Amino acid sequence: SAVISQKPSRDICQRGTSLTIQCQVDSQVTMMFWYRQQPGQSLTLIATANQGSEATYESGFVIDKFPISRPNLTFSTLTVSNMSPEDSSIYLCSSGNGEAFFGQGTRLTVV
Amino acid sequence: GDSVTQMEGPVTLSEEAFLTINCTYTATGYPSLFWYVQYPGEGLQLLLKATKADDKGSNKGFEATYRKETTSFHLEKGSVQVSDSAVYFCALSLYNFNKFYFGSGTKLNVKP
Repeated sequence: SAVISQKPSRDICQRGTSLTIQCQVDSQVTMMFWYRQQPGQSLTLIATANQGSEATYESGFVIDKFPISRPNLTFSTLTVSNMSPEDSSIYLCSSGNGEAFFGQGTRLTVV
Repeated sequence: GDSVTQMEGPVTLSEEAFLTINCTYTATGYPSLFWYVQYPGEGLQLLLKATKADDKGSNKGFEATYRKETTSFHLEKGSVQVSDSAVYFCALSLYNFNKFYFGSGTKLNVKP
């Protein structure tokens, strides 16, 4: 199994600012995934991050709003840019083969 | 496209009652199927999984059988406990277990 650590665990941000979320995996993985869980809702895949290439975004998500870095096989970052209250969500990263292992999530509140 | 549909909640049961949470899926290939659980204030944890038709996943008294003919993966437990109160997510994955699609989640409340 993989252990995935995310930080920050929570943050309160002003609208118009940006927040970068970090995700660290305790082993090398090919793919890492970023999800958004809006209040009371399910997980929606934002993008797939492969090391050495640009992230692949799902419909409704764009790189300008959610830039992703994947500098090596154990680390990724997701930035939520120019935030608005609608971006208030839990953001989770995951990885794994055979099952998805999740970080604890970053609870973001935009005021 | 690929998707998962699960019954809406909340589901409220008394302790020791029988639980069923329905889940159906649509997939372009041959998916693996999963149930994840999210306890209050915690992250998602894998509860059980099944990788091919007729497989039964089981864990902590929960069971689900991969039914290809009905494209279903219903979660069952014979006797729920208060500690089972959580949100349950059905999910499928394709492409070597890398990309997951989640259902909307079903909140279970178990009363003593």
